[in-house]
Amino acid sequence: DTAVSQTPKYLVTQMGNDKSIKCEQNLGHDTMYWYKQDSKKFLKIMFSYNNKELIINETVPNRFSPKSPDKAHLNLHINSLELGDSAVYFCASSQGPSGANVLTFGAGSRLTVL
Amino acid sequence: KQEVTQIPAALSVPEGENLVLNCSFTDSAIYNLQWFRQDPGKGLTSLLLIQSSQREQTSGRLNASLDKSSGRSTLYIAASQPGDSATYLCAVERKLIFGTGTRLQVFP
Repeated sequence: DTAVSQTPKYLVTQMGNDKSIKCEQNLGHDTMYWYKQDSKKFLKIMFSYNNKELIINETVPNRFSPKSPDKAHLNLHINSLELGDSAVYFCASSQGPSGANVLTFGAGSRLTVL
Repeated sequence: KQEVTQIPAALSVPEGENLVLNCSFTDSAIYNLQWFRQDPGKGLTSLLLIQSSQREQTSGRLNASLDKSSGRSTLYIAASQPGDSATYLCAVERKLIFGTGTRLQVFP
């Protein structure tokens, strides 16, 4: 059973389109995250939700809108896609928001904007 | 602002060698530090988590140390194997700030 699953794994789309990436975890964790890994392989946190509440919102364009319908799901919707949005997006989850919590990551969703 | 740096950026070694990967961070006010492994095209796997009050953690052939006062952590890999080839990332919490990674290749 996959602990943190993301769909789609690959996404190729045109500039200006709107797309979503879905994430689900079956670990019973309370906290979920979205990270962006750029072309230099640098991972940067974007958002974090704890029990469906937004707790971390880094400097991310408001074209990016996370949605957490329940604590097992955290979806990422991106409006008006730009070339610079091309990256691998990783979803992760942990038992709680900080401290002694090991993160479990999904396999990533590679977004290519043409 | 917390900055996390890893050296070396890449490392290629023959099988069987003992390795040390380095991680440094600028703000010592951290909750914990984690070491991750990333395989090509895959997500990250957590290897070790060291709480801010701890000095080291061990798991199998891996040993991670933490020196908060100097802003450093090292990941020691004993008797490296080709299966250890991956990118290794350290990350410090609060807000899990990731380092730039060390790409390790172990050749037979």
